[in-house]
Amino acid sequence: GQQLNQSPQSMFIQEGEDVSMNCTSSSIFNTWLWYKQDPGEGPVLLIALYKAGELTSNGRLTAQFGITRKDSFLNISASIPSDVGIYFCAGRNQTGANNLFFGTGTRLTVIP
Amino acid sequence: EAQVTQNPRYLITVTGKKLTVTCSQNMNHEYMSWYRQDPGLGLRQIYYSMNVEVTDKGDVPEGYKVSRKEKRNFPLILESPSPNQTSLYFCASSLDFNQPQHFGDGTRLSIL
Repeated sequence: GQQLNQSPQSMFIQEGEDVSMNCTSSSIFNTWLWYKQDPGEGPVLLIALYKAGELTSNGRLTAQFGITRKDSFLNISASIPSDVGIYFCAGRNQTGANNLFFGTGTRLTVIP
Repeated sequence: EAQVTQNPRYLITVTGKKLTVTCSQNMNHEYMSWYRQDPGLGLRQIYYSMNVEVTDKGDVPEGYKVSRKEKRNFPLILESPSPNQTSLYFCASSLDFNQPQHFGDGTRLSIL
């Protein structure tokens, strides 16, 4: 199946710091999604991107659809303790329109 | 409240004993799918369903069956479970395959 490389695998940051993570694929995607998963729960959608170059915000979160259509970025500004969790990117490519492929996740720890 | 409900949440069972994990959504969504989540591998799609009576294989369908007899339910069946199917399973649904998916809270299966 399609592989999405997500980095970093884990991050430890101080409360108030900004966070950046990214996701790359070997093929072109036409949809990028970012999810957050809290312990014991399913992933929850944060941001959806549908167009190359698109920049979308959701509160302190901002995500971008890379212009090459092979990558996406998620930034979190002024992190707070409740940002702790695992962040997943997901993408849908042009050929496998019915499948959604997930990255391996970035585990974020925020130190108060 | 709009939700995707999975049952059971936890199950420990033995090799070869058939089991079914139920999934139900109350959002009138056309598209439903099943994923398994394993450490270091992210979420991988097992099966998906575009609509009632329409199902198709995802990335890792071996050892699993599904059915979609009615729109709201999409059970996952393990006819003869094996230890390598020990995993965390998520059901998800969306209005159609192009829309972001809503996830259930997961079912943790342990096959001894």
